[in-house]
Amino acid sequence: NAGVTQTPKFQVLKTGQSMTLQCAQDMNHNSMYWYRQDPGMGLRLIYYSASEGTTDKGEVPNGYNVSRLNKREFSLRLESAAPSQTSVYFCASSEDRVSGYTFGSGTRLTVV
Amino acid sequence: GEDVEQSLFLSVREGDSSVINCTYTDSSSTYLYWYKQEPGAGLQLLTYIFSNMDMKQDQRLTVLLNKKDKHLSLRIADTQTGDSAIYFCAEKWDSGTYKYIFGTGTRLKVLA
Repeated sequence: NAGVTQTPKFQVLKTGQSMTLQCAQDMNHNSMYWYRQDPGMGLRLIYYSASEGTTDKGEVPNGYNVSRLNKREFSLRLESAAPSQTSVYFCASSEDRVSGYTFGSGTRLTVV
Repeated sequence: GEDVEQSLFLSVREGDSSVINCTYTDSSSTYLYWYKQEPGAGLQLLTYIFSNMDMKQDQRLTVLLNKKDKHLSLRIADTQTGDSAIYFCAEKWDSGTYKYIFGTGTRLKVLA
């Protein structure tokens, strides 16, 4: 059981570069999420997709875009990376609104 | 308001009980969760409790909810070195939303 798979695990970008973080789940979950984790700030929701074909902004969407490619895949794009986007990014999925998340193992992104 | 507070650190001896505390400010929260994060990994759902419950027990884990004081606790009985991790509580508002609010996490260190 793979669960939620994120790629890459590590990435270093220069300011202004773009990249896409990939996420795929094999549990047939309807909802998928992107969070960032910063020291002392817990997890903050960037974007989520309640179901295939829909996406919505979370707490901190500025500087990011997402695509729900199909039921399995939900990608996060940084169009022009900034040092403030240095963080650990987690993708998660859930079967419904209440039973909690399954998280991926994260992508550690550094923007220099 | 939206705020979930946890103490940053807890240290216990192997075999003792650990109690990790969390306070939340939104009385409309209907589901409350505990997650565990080991180094370099994503968050793993441990347990969750509905707001109409006072207690939930699952093997070595006991969750207590005091709705009047908006206080949630996680007790780990017979704490083992493998329990060393960061523990996050999270609250979720009514079932019509996908929004979860995470605390900043409590780092539990188990001393042999």
